[in-house]
Amino acid sequence: EADIYQTPRYLVIGTGKKITLECSQTMGHDKMYWYQQDPGMELHLIHYSYGVNSTEKGDLSSESTVSRIRTEHFPLTLESARPSHTSQYLCASSERGTTDTQYFGPGTRLTVL
Amino acid sequence: KNQVEQSPQSLIILEGKNCTLQCNYTVSPFSNLRWYKQDTGRGPVSLTIMTFSENTKSNGRYTATLDADTKQSSLHITASQLSDSASYICVVSDRGSTLGRLYFGRGTQLTVWP
Repeated sequence: EADIYQTPRYLVIGTGKKITLECSQTMGHDKMYWYQQDPGMELHLIHYSYGVNSTEKGDLSSESTVSRIRTEHFPLTLESARPSHTSQYLCASSERGTTDTQYFGPGTRLTVL
Repeated sequence: KNQVEQSPQSLIILEGKNCTLQCNYTVSPFSNLRWYKQDTGRGPVSLTIMTFSENTKSNGRYTATLDADTKQSSLHITASQLSDSASYICVVSDRGSTLGRLYFGRGTQLTVWP
């Protein structure tokens, strides 16, 4: 079981609200990722980080933002949530190396009404 | 366009039976291929990883094979258990460096019935 945690696990909010999805890992991994996954669909990378103060946008355009002030913490923020943001958000981390195996958190299921 | 295609999309088998899941990819250049298991409402968990030179890799009742020439991989599950019910995701990496990018399949949803 990987030591990577996400909170909250489920979130139902109204349109226009600002939300922050938390992700933390205790493995000391430099690299962290955020994915978005809809039911029956593949994971899409929306943000990643190579280390502290490093953040990059992923393949899928997202209105969310991320920050990496500490190695273990990689929060994702939506300034104004919309129904189109309804999805499952998965956080992952990996250590430096050629195999680059990613360890995933349990995910946050977000529903925007 | 780099893609990862999995089949079947869903599969139902009886407990104790074997099954094989397929993954075809067009990702190039190829670095490695992983199979992940994702339980409902949870994050994916790595089962196996294979590099270009590896043909097979086992993890308990899970055995993955790789044919890098035909760009095909399979995941064989032996003596299935109810706990094997999950989505199985094939993930291909195009480089082994820190800039390696991952390509995800949509997964095969496996249901094991008692």
